[in-house]
Amino acid sequence: QQQVKQSPQSLIVQKGGISIINCAYENTAFDYFPWYQQFPGKGPALLIAIRPDVSEKKEGRFTISFNKSAKQFSLHIMDSQPGDSATYFCAASNIQGAQKLVFGQGTRLTINP
Amino acid sequence: NAGVTQTPKFRILKIGQSMTLQCTQDMNHNYMYWYRQDPGMGLKLIYYSVGAGITDKGEVPNGYNVSRSTTEDFPLRLELAAPSQTSVYFCASSTSSGPLHFGNGTRLTVT
Repeated sequence: QQQVKQSPQSLIVQKGGISIINCAYENTAFDYFPWYQQFPGKGPALLIAIRPDVSEKKEGRFTISFNKSAKQFSLHIMDSQPGDSATYFCAASNIQGAQKLVFGQGTRLTINP
Repeated sequence: NAGVTQTPKFRILKIGQSMTLQCTQDMNHNYMYWYRQDPGMGLKLIYYSVGAGITDKGEVPNGYNVSRSTTEDFPLRLELAAPSQTSVYFCASSTSSGPLHFGNGTRLTVT
């Protein structure tokens, strides 16, 4: 009930291409879906987040698509750059109070120059 | 701005030893969290706190203890280290409905 499943585990994309990472959740009480970016030796940092009242949110080259009926959401990185090479985690929680985030397993993204 | 500071960065423990992982934040956040990160497993919540004097268990609390005597500090205690506690530990803080701000982690090896 609390799981968030993320795929793929690793992804290699050419510079300028589109990177797509997918997540699925089970708990319909979740109402906050963030994506975190993590570089080696650093803690995760919030990249972009969405609430279930919208189906898409875009910030620069990063877009979250959200399908409430399928309980799925995905991260799209347009015009992928070598600097985007990192590990990406999707997560889910309730927005109010303590955000007890349930994380996906992570995707190691490599952008080849 | 220091944000969330964790010490030490690295530590090697022998089985049965104890240690405290330190975490402090300077953002006056009420909420603080401890996560552990294992390869291919994402991050799992160990304990969290909604304010000074109030703590609660997360998904994987066994083998750990926490305290929250001040808003700034949220130490994590391992009493009897076991190999299964080899992991990278992350502390985070947030406001209510705000994003989590993570520290840079403590890499712990138990041998």
